[in-house]
Amino acid sequence: GQQLNQSPQSMFIQEGEDVSMNCTSSSIFNTWLWYKQDPGEGPVLLIALYKAGELTSNGRLTAQFGITRKDSFLNISASIPSDVGIYFCAGRQAGTALIFGKGTTLSVSS
Amino acid sequence: DGGITQSPKYLFRKEGQNVTLSCEQNLNHDAMYWYRQDPGQGLRLIYYSQIVNDFQKGDIAEGYSVSREKKESFPLTVTSAQKNPTAFYLCASSIEGSSPLHFGNGTRLTVT
Repeated sequence: GQQLNQSPQSMFIQEGEDVSMNCTSSSIFNTWLWYKQDPGEGPVLLIALYKAGELTSNGRLTAQFGITRKDSFLNISASIPSDVGIYFCAGRQAGTALIFGKGTTLSVSS
Repeated sequence: DGGITQSPKYLFRKEGQNVTLSCEQNLNHDAMYWYRQDPGQGLRLIYYSQIVNDFQKGDIAEGYSVSREKKESFPLTVTSAQKNPTAFYLCASSIEGSSPLHFGNGTRLTVT
């Protein structure tokens, strides 16, 4: 089936650093979503993007819907220990089910 | 509070036994989904249902079955035909098929 390439697979950063991760595909999507999952819990929606070029913020998080509609980016500014977790991108094409990337595992040391 | 409830949180079964995972939502959402999560594999779609009494196979439906007799409930049965059933199973719902998904807190199934 369709695949999303999410990178990096994992990140180890110091508290206070900024973080960037992205998701790419060979196909066009009309929706991009970013989720965060804490250990043993279900993913929680962070940001939803519906329009090419759209840039949306949620606190220290900012995500963008790529102009080509084949990619999306998530940035976290001034990371804190509670940012630790797995971040998933998800994309949807018209009339299809949501597809998830394999996740970026973020570790933050204080 | 509205939400999605998955039960139990942990489930242990012997190989060869069927097991049913529960998923209930009181969000009045039309669509419901089951995903399987394995380490480093992301979330893979097992089955989804956009309306009561209708459901479609996802990418990895073999060895699983579902029913959608009520809007609030979407139970998943892991049958003995599923070769590697040990995994973390996530149920989700959405207002309708093109809306963001809201997830339950998962059931960790261990089959030995």
